[in-house]
Amino acid sequence: DIQMTQSPSSLSASVGDRVTITCRASQSISSCLNWYQQEPGNAPRLLIYAASSLQSGVPSRFSGSVSGTDFSLTISSLQPEDFATYYCQQTYTMPITFGQGTRLEIK
Amino acid sequence: EVQLVESGGGLVQPGGSLRLSCATSGFTFSSYWMSWVRQAPGKGLDWVANIKQDGSEKYYVDSVKGRFTISRDNAKNSLYLQMNSLRAEDTSVYYCAKIYCAGDCYSGYWYFDLWGRGTLVTVSS
Repeated sequence: DIQMTQSPSSLSASVGDRVTITCRASQSISSCLNWYQQEPGNAPRLLIYAASSLQSGVPSRFSGSVSGTDFSLTISSLQPEDFATYYCQQTYTMPITFGQGTRLEIK
Repeated sequence: EVQLVESGGGLVQPGGSLRLSCATSGFTFSSYWMSWVRQAPGKGLDWVANIKQDGSEKYYVDSVKGRFTISRDNAKNSLYLQMNSLRAEDTSVYYCAKIYCAGDCYSGYWYFDLWGRGTLVTVSS
């Protein structure tokens, strides 16, 4: 199985900060990597697909990038509604696997 | 309105069975792969199973193979998950998710573009 390792597991930041969350795949997954946001008590929401494509309706402060097997999700200027948990997901091969999540908290 | 609504969760004893349903509306259900994803209390997301548009292909995570069965009824716009031989570690919120393929669905370029609110399954004596 492909392991997806997210870092950090938690992060404290302030409104207006620029933050980056990373996800490393245990083997090549091309750009078959998606990012989701989950607020407490809610279902996940798709932010980024295919490593760097912004889902319709998602604010442009969210962006994704890839370098080899390292993927990044960047929020350029944190807004109050961005404090949530973020997950990466590889869809390159079965079984589909998620990262363990990054909890973004208000400093 | 485009939506997925799960039902069928509840408390069940170890070794018991449960059937989850996902009622869909607002899109052409028969045109999309569908999936079940679960989340144990306070934990991360775990993929459970996928099913092709016509039900001819199904994929499962190893931990549920032989115990869970994903199915669909395109006439009723509904997705199902039959869960047998349930274990304590199956305790989770179970989400139904719609799959969108950016091109060929076998290319790996697909994602969950719509999720239900989930239904809680608790396996305990």
